[in-house]
Amino acid sequence: DGGITQSPKYLFRKEGQNVTLSCEQNLNHDAMYWYRQDPGQGLRLIYYSQIVNDFQKGDIAEGYSVSREKKESFPLTVTSAQKNPTAFYLCASTQAGGGDTGELFFGEGSRLTVL
Amino acid sequence: GDSVTQMEGPVTLSEEAFLTINCTYTATGYPSLFWYVQYPGEGLQLLLKATKADDKGSNKGFEATYRKETTSFHLEKGSVQVSDSAVYFCALRNAGGTSYGKLTFGQGTILTVHP
Repeated sequence: DGGITQSPKYLFRKEGQNVTLSCEQNLNHDAMYWYRQDPGQGLRLIYYSQIVNDFQKGDIAEGYSVSREKKESFPLTVTSAQKNPTAFYLCASTQAGGGDTGELFFGEGSRLTVL
Repeated sequence: GDSVTQMEGPVTLSEEAFLTINCTYTATGYPSLFWYVQYPGEGLQLLLKATKADDKGSNKGFEATYRKETTSFHLEKGSVQVSDSAVYFCALRNAGGTSYGKLTFGQGTILTVHP
């Protein structure tokens, strides 16, 4: 089945460590996104990518990095510079131009906890 | 910039009660509007959408009408079920500018339905 796969589902990290969250999609979508979800704050955009080898900062990019070497993959690295990394991270994708609705398709998320 | 404001929760209802979750937005141009639902521990799923003024989106008994004059997109359901318990997010997509496919989300409203 087509969809977006995020891994790992749960991740624990010690302070000072970098971690990488995986996001893979087989929907043949051009655009991919990373959102961060915190209780009571909705979703905030970290980074997005419209095409391979190109990506743009979102609203809260500090302390994060991404790459887009393949169309189907958009990994997110949470670096030690991120001051408060404990959160639920959601990856999403959409068709070129957003299709006829602009709908985003989401993965099931990765919950990162810093110990 | 674009923004979305949802009524604060949590909202607690008895089964078969009427549901309204208010959503208002600020945006330039003519955005598309969405309601997403998130069940516990999962990613977001599109519930319904509307792409132009006066459009009504509907799905699974939920409805929302795009009101440009009041910049609103309130979610309603005539008779809620326990299985509707989830977090509901209002969102907009503005096709203008360089924010390709980017969605702007409200803060989310937690709905709990009791038997």
